[in-house]
Amino acid sequence: AQSVTQLGSHVSVSEGALVLLRCNYSSSVPPYLFWYVQYPNQGLQLLLKYTSAATLVKGINGFEAEFKKSETSFHLTKPSAHMSDAAEYFCAVSDGRSQGNLIFGKGTKLSVKP
Amino acid sequence: EPEVTQTPSHQVTQMGQEVILRCVPISNHLYFYWYRQILGQKVEFLVSFYNNEISEKSEIFDDQFSVERPDGSNFTLKIRSTKLEDSAMYFCASSDRQARLFGPGTRLTVL
Repeated sequence: AQSVTQLGSHVSVSEGALVLLRCNYSSSVPPYLFWYVQYPNQGLQLLLKYTSAATLVKGINGFEAEFKKSETSFHLTKPSAHMSDAAEYFCAVSDGRSQGNLIFGKGTKLSVKP
Repeated sequence: EPEVTQTPSHQVTQMGQEVILRCVPISNHLYFYWYRQILGQKVEFLVSFYNNEISEKSEIFDDQFSVERPDGSNFTLKIRSTKLEDSAMYFCASSDRQARLFGPGTRLTVL
C-alpha cells in the first residue's frame, strides 16, 4: 500500500523568501512521485514529477523537488516566493506503473505575504 | 495548449436524483480517470478507464457509480442515486504515457 504525508496544512512565507513544502511517502515498490498545484477555483496542474531518473527534478514556475530514498521524502522548494505562488499544493505517489492510481496527500496551502 | 474540460462547473441536485458529470479528455490520450475532493479533504481516486473498460477502481466507486465513454470524445461519470455525502468537487483527468492532466472540476452539491 502507498501513502503520502504532507507536513503542515498551511505554510506562510514572505515574498522573496524560500518556499519549502514537505512530503513524505510510503511505498512497498519504487514510487513515482508528483507535485500538483491548485489555484483557487481551478483544477490540478502538474508542477513536476519523479519517475526514477534524476533525483533532483525541476518543474514549472521555478519549483524543484528532490527525491531522497533514505528519508522517503520528496520535498518541494522554490528559492524565492512570488505572490502568484499562493495556492494549494498536493504531493502524490503512484506505484511505478506509468498509469497507476495516484494517491494524494491532504495538501498544503501556501500563503505569500507582501 | 490542449486542456481537459468538464461540464457543468457546478451541479446542484436533490438527494436520490441521478447526475451525470461530463468530461472531454485530451484528444490523443488513452487513459481516463475520475477523482473527487470533499471540501477540506484530500483528492481521492475513484476510477481509471482504458480501452473502453474500467482498469482500476477504489472502494468509493460502488454500484451507485458508473463511467462511460459514449462517443469518441466524452467521458462521463454517473451517480445513480445521489447521497448527501456525494457532495464534492469531481475532477476528470486524462493521460498519455507522459503526464496526467486534470480538468477544472465540477462542484456537485447534493441537498
